[in-house]
Amino acid sequence: DAKTTQPNSMESNEEEPVHLPCNHSTISGTDYIHWYRQLPSQGPEYVIHGLTSNVNNRMASLAIAEDRKSSTLILHRATLRDAAVYYCILRLNQGGKLIFGQGTELSVKP
Amino acid sequence: DGGITQSPKYLFRKEGQNVTLSCEQNLNHDAMYWYRQDPGQGLRLIYYSQIVNDFQKGDIAEGYSVSREKKESFPLTVTSAQKNPTAFYLCASRNRGQGYAYGYTFGSGTRLTVV
Repeated sequence: DAKTTQPNSMESNEEEPVHLPCNHSTISGTDYIHWYRQLPSQGPEYVIHGLTSNVNNRMASLAIAEDRKSSTLILHRATLRDAAVYYCILRLNQGGKLIFGQGTELSVKP
Repeated sequence: DGGITQSPKYLFRKEGQNVTLSCEQNLNHDAMYWYRQDPGQGLRLIYYSQIVNDFQKGDIAEGYSVSREKKESFPLTVTSAQKNPTAFYLCASRNRGQGYAYGYTFGSGTRLTVV
């Protein structure tokens, strides 16, 4: 199964942009790139997903490299409520399975 | 409001006992998934079901069983064969009919502790 690689942790200041990187060098042509975030003792929350083109929604933007081997989740203005573990995940075509990695723990300083 | 309900939120089990975790959704989603999360780790797939009366093993299915008799319900049984069942269990669902225009919805989890 294709895997993702993310930094274990990142820090940001409140109201500054945050760029969370993800490498997925073994991605196949039909795998979607999903991002979820999880607060302690809660279920993951959907953030954004994409296939080839960059995507924007009310929560974040997703920038996908041209060769699709990496992507970056962009939070335009970090707030204290954005502190969470962020997972970059490949959605595999077979059964629509999400394969989770270790995630990046984002801390936001006031 | 539509969503996924997992119950109970906390569950304690004695060694050697089977226990069933509930997962109910009113989103009319076709596919449902069970994940296990250990402290400081990502989620690992236990079982998934794409339609009623059908399910497939995930990466760590040993010691677990599921059923999918109704579209809304996907209960997970943790059997005595599961050697290390203490973990946080998460249920998720997805509407296959919408393709991948939408993400997956997760429940709030059940924390199982073996005592």
